[in-house]
Amino acid sequence: DAKTTQPPSMDCAEGRAANLPCNHSTISGNEYVYWYRQIHSQGPQYIIHGLKNNETNEMASLIITEDRKSSTLILPHATLRDTAVYYCIVSHGQNFVFGPGTRLSVLP
Amino acid sequence: GAVVSQHPSRVICKSGTSVKIECRSLDFQATTMFWYRQFPKQSLMLMATSNEGSKATYEQGVEKDKFLINHASLTLSTLTVTSAHPEDSSFYICSAQFTRLNTEAFFGQGTRLTVV
Repeated sequence: DAKTTQPPSMDCAEGRAANLPCNHSTISGNEYVYWYRQIHSQGPQYIIHGLKNNETNEMASLIITEDRKSSTLILPHATLRDTAVYYCIVSHGQNFVFGPGTRLSVLP
Repeated sequence: GAVVSQHPSRVICKSGTSVKIECRSLDFQATTMFWYRQFPKQSLMLMATSNEGSKATYEQGVEKDKFLINHASLTLSTLTVTSAHPEDSSFYICSAQFTRLNTEAFFGQGTRLTVV
């Protein structure tokens, strides 16, 4: 079973920031938080991952709470092409268990 | 980022025949590759873990004699669906990782299998 909980769906206006939450209250000390997204009929695309510090790359930012029990993926300026299912996964890095994810719809 | 190539992207086969799907890591070596299956409107389900030079490890409920996995080199793993039936129709996805831990996994583009 997936060890994360995400809202099933979210909407976001084009050009605005999309903030996708994820709860992982049972995360262990050496597990990382990974985010992937899947656009329809494609393989998952890596977005970002982190252990305890906040992370930022060209795609997104990852904010992890101090107790590591939850995190938020931030897409700073969502575009229509960001419409996808977003998966939050906790893993040691060798086995990725996918939950149902959050279906993000970016609206014009 | 690293690239994982999966082939074919789409295949239609007759019931009772076998289909082979290839998964290649193009610019890195992967001692471990993973095979997933995804039914419509569902999430990815891990089928098996493929280790180079050894037998694959299958998840509970996945028939190892039906889904044959071969990981003959550090850049290639194959999944063969034997004696395919319509219920095997699904989206099959592979992933590969660098050998060190806590790195991201890279996924192939997936193979849409339709058994008629």
